[in-house]
Parts: sequence; structure tokens; C-alpha cells
Amino acid sequence: QSVLTQPTSVSGTPGQRVTIFCSGSSSNIGNSLVYWYQQFPGKAPKLLIQRDYQRPSGVPDRFSGSKSGTSASLAISGVRSEDEADYYCATWDDNLNSVFGGGTKLTVL
Amino acid sequence: QIYLQESGPGLVKPSETLSLTCSVSAYSIYDGYYWGWIRQSPGKGLEWIGSVFHSGTNYYNPSLKSRVTISLDTSKNQFSLRLTSVTAADTAVYYCATQDTVRYIITASFDYWGQGILVTVSS
Repeated sequence: QSVLTQPTSVSGTPGQRVTIFCSGSSSNIGNSLVYWYQQFPGKAPKLLIQRDYQRPSGVPDRFSGSKSGTSASLAISGVRSEDEADYYCATWDDNLNSVFGGGTKLTVL
Repeated sequence: QIYLQESGPGLVKPSETLSLTCSVSAYSIYDGYYWGWIRQSPGKGLEWIGSVFHSGTNYYNPSLKSRVTISLDTSKNQFSLRLTSVTAADTAVYYCATQDTVRYIITASFDYWGQGILVTVSS
């Protein structure tokens, strides 16, 4: 059971807007910056969104992040087939450790 | 660009100690980042193991703390993971990664990752 809750899977058709939610608590998301990672099968995760909503250099602007209270979300506008991957949210917890969501598998239909 | 590469045995016997090393290139482990380990059991999600700063400050996952040590070797620009008393539940791909800070406060920003190494716990 992950400290941060994500849907197991989401899907969308090419061009659609897809949103992945990450639910936490006041001891983690409510108190710390949220990060999002993208992971393809057999590959290391890649930082996708930093500090709640900022895109690292090279990340397409169709990816966006937001946070409100104890929840965060990752939106992909105009989803593409190459976006099919696993997505993880992460933050720092008041128990002095990093915590990840359980991961969400994005399927592009 | 920082390069990280994990190395170590791919097979460890139950009850023994898992030891992995992460070699860092193009950056000094004395600068800026915490140096951490994350693992991923087959078909499962990511689990943070812990991280250490060159000052000696370290943070460990509470669920693993009693079995984990992460240490730095500044002479070799490497850092290491030791996990004692392993069981089959410790079978996973182990990643080393940089862990960033914001205004000197540690975050969950893992900017650079190694490719990962699969460690299987089996007799």
C-alpha cells in the first residue's frame, strides 16, 4: 500500500487530454513539493515534472503538473502513442522519507 | 549531465548481505546532491531506499532502516548500498540516483538515474 494514491491505469485516444491524480495527506503532498516521473518498460524513470508544475528542459509542453491541498495531478494534453508508459508521483514525507505513488499505466488506445 | 552506473552481484542468497556500488561520472559526489537508492520489485512500483549527503547526513526508508547502510567513497567518486538479511522480497531492480534539494532541504527530485541492476535473492 503506497502512501500516495494513484489510479492503477488510465487510457485515452490520441489527441485527448488525460489526467492522472495523486492523492496524499498534510504530512506529504500538503507540505512538500511534488515530482512526477515517466518510466518505459525496462528503463529507468525520468523526471517529468519538478516542484509541483515545472517542466525540466526537454520535456514537451503537453505535460503539465498542478497541486491543490493534499492532491496533485499530471495532465497530458494531446496524448500521443509515444506517451504510453508508467507514471509515478513522488514527494517528501514528514516522516523524513521520500514516498512514491503506486504508479499509473497510461494506455493510448 | 551526470552519469551513474550500478555494479554488483546479480544473485544473493537468502539471509546474506546485498552490496551494490554506484559509480558517478562528470560530477563530484562532494557537490550539491544527495546520493540515493531506489528499487523496483518485478512488476511493481518504485520504492525509495535511502540517501546520503557528503556531510554524513542520511535518510533511510523507515521500513528498511534497520537493514540499510548507504555510504560514500569520495576517493573513488562512488557510493554504496548494503542491505542485510535479505529475503526473496528484496528481489528487485536497484537504481542509484541523485536526489536534489531546494534551499538546502531534501526533496523527492531524482534528477539523474543509473540504468538499474537486477538483484535476485535465491538459494
